[in-house]
Amino acid sequence: QAQLVESGGGLVKPGGSLRLSCAASGFILGDHDMYWIRQTLGKGLEWIAYINYSGLTTYYAASVKGRLTISRDNAKNSLFLQMNRVKDDDTAVYFCAREGPPGGFDSWGQGTLVTVSS
Amino acid sequence: EIVMTQSPATLSVSPGERATLSCRASQSISIKLAWYQQKPGQAPRLLIYHASTRAPGIPARFSGSGSGTGFTLTISSLQSEDFAVYYCQQYNDWPLRTFGQGTKVEIK
Repeated sequence: QAQLVESGGGLVKPGGSLRLSCAASGFILGDHDMYWIRQTLGKGLEWIAYINYSGLTTYYAASVKGRLTISRDNAKNSLFLQMNRVKDDDTAVYFCAREGPPGGFDSWGQGTLVTVSS
Repeated sequence: EIVMTQSPATLSVSPGERATLSCRASQSISIKLAWYQQKPGQAPRLLIYHASTRAPGIPARFSGSGSGTGFTLTISSLQSEDFAVYYCQQYNDWPLRTFGQGTKVEIK
């Protein structure tokens, strides 16, 4: 059974950095495109970063482009999100999610809370 | 960016009754639509993909319909565990996946 577990969230000051990790088990991470999706009370669910199965193609939402970097280590079945120059608006629960071949996100982590505050 | 709009924001339904949730896309997305259920403190759970195909393990009381810009999620007879927030999401625009703002189904 596919499982995703995020870690690395916490309290960070504006302008600071944080690295989120997502450990995959029960399936081969390298067979799937992956996303980071965040959720806030104000903006709901928002996709912020995409990485293809090989790691060679990435895309970012305009709200995070140039500050957040998605990467993966398929040999270690792990996905990452490096967050730099964080802003108050980055406060959210961050989920890693697997996009199923037919469509839709068929596996999600439990989420990790990132709070940006001075 | 494709904007997804859900209605109503809140739906009050009695257990055993039918619930009908709507989702509209700002442009045609064919049948590239998924529905999710989210309970407090949990991640969203995939219910429906391709607008009408139930994900594995999803009860038959959940059904989806629609194509193009208009979609519906129907829960035929609400059970206590169905009270939650429901989201639609389009995957026609790669890789810019967008979600609706959600419909909360609450006990009447």
